[in-house]
Amino acid sequence: GQNIDQPTEMTATEGAIVQINCTYQTSGFNGLFWYQQHAGEAPTFLSYNVLDGLEEKGRFSSFLSRSKGYSYLLLKELQMKDSASYLCAAVDSNYQLIWGAGTKLIIKP
Amino acid sequence: IAGITQAPTSQILAAGRRMTLRCTQDMRHNAMYWYRQDLGLGLRLIHYSNTAGTTGKGEVPDGYSVSRANTDDFPLTLASAVPSQTSVYFCASSEGEGNQPQHFGDGTRLSIL
Repeated sequence: GQNIDQPTEMTATEGAIVQINCTYQTSGFNGLFWYQQHAGEAPTFLSYNVLDGLEEKGRFSSFLSRSKGYSYLLLKELQMKDSASYLCAAVDSNYQLIWGAGTKLIIKP
Repeated sequence: IAGITQAPTSQILAAGRRMTLRCTQDMRHNAMYWYRQDLGLGLRLIHYSNTAGTTGKGEVPDGYSVSRANTDDFPLTLASAVPSQTSVYFCASSEGEGNQPQHFGDGTRLSIL
């Protein structure tokens, strides 16, 4: 079966760095998305990786290892507004998204 | 401002009633999607449409139907609502299939009593 695993909840301190991990098992693979979702709001697109390696976009970076079925989202210089859920989604061989349940990130001052 | 509009924002509905959730996008995206989001389960795909005139079933299609008469509109209908359909429903669109980023509407919070 197809599956996405990510931690349910993480806590970090304002100004620090946090890494949110995601492992996936899919029938075929056509890339991996990260989305941010604030409580009560819609998900918004953060990043898309299809090749191995790290992609940096401001304070946020996303890493992919296709051989390990693994990705992480790295958030630097954490701000209170980064408190949100972070959703990992892998694209399978039919170009359908397989979504993880999301990681709720709590930022403490 | 370009984007996706969902209506209604929220609704309380008696079991057995018929309900249509509306979704309109003005980005001329080819693909559109309906998801439900329940606590602890993440987003689950109900139905999708890769282009106007075509639709497909997602992971949890039972009890729901969709139509895609034109590029902009993608309504979701619950023919006879049941309490297990209580959820937050998100409509999304993307330029193409699969590996294109999806843009989401603000969601419809639906409670079936």
